[in-house]
Amino acid sequence: EAGVVQSPRYKIIEKKQPVAFWCNPISGHNTLYWYRQNLGQGPELLIRYENEEAVDDSQLPKDRFSAERLKGVDSTLKIQPAELGDSAVYLCASSLGTVNTGELFFGEGSRLTVL
Amino acid sequence: GDSVTQMEGPVTLSEEAFLTINCTYTATGYPSLFWYVQYPGEGLQLLLKATKADDKGSNKGFEATYRKETTSFHLEKGSVQVSDSAVYFCALSDQGGKLIFGQGTELSVKP
Repeated sequence: EAGVVQSPRYKIIEKKQPVAFWCNPISGHNTLYWYRQNLGQGPELLIRYENEEAVDDSQLPKDRFSAERLKGVDSTLKIQPAELGDSAVYLCASSLGTVNTGELFFGEGSRLTVL
Repeated sequence: GDSVTQMEGPVTLSEEAFLTINCTYTATGYPSLFWYVQYPGEGLQLLLKATKADDKGSNKGFEATYRKETTSFHLEKGSVQVSDSAVYFCALSDQGGKLIFGQGTELSVKP
């Protein structure tokens, strides 16, 4: 069974440029998460989807970040424009049900460097 | 808000040594508790979990017991191997179903 697939694995951009990350969750997983992990820190939730609906986006900086999950499968996270402080690893995870009922499976992450 | 605090790393041990990584939490209600592990070059993966007080989670020789009275969930292993070298994250699920992580503890096991 294929795991959570993310792309690109690495991205280097200059500040004020846009960037997008893509995530393909495990087949059949209805819940999808985007986390951000700063260097030396644990992941922090940005947004959680149940099917197509964003049920928790309270930590998503909506002035520059946007996300979508069309048809309840793949998801894209966009940053526009990027700032120096956005340098981090962006992790996608998926699960059957919620964290309390199903294990979260994480992708390898997309490492963003903003110069 | 809810939070998780882990002992700082890196932790360096010799093979076959005993491992303890401390984890304490602050939460309203009764969260589920988790340990995730990130091996070099791989994604985070669930190591073990406990869903209520006094539960013991175990996997691959690792154990952790949910202690409500001390709000702790310390990770232990009796004899570590070089292959256990990784970053370990303690986490809890809050009442909204969000997973909240600690800052991670890097473990390095030397042969």
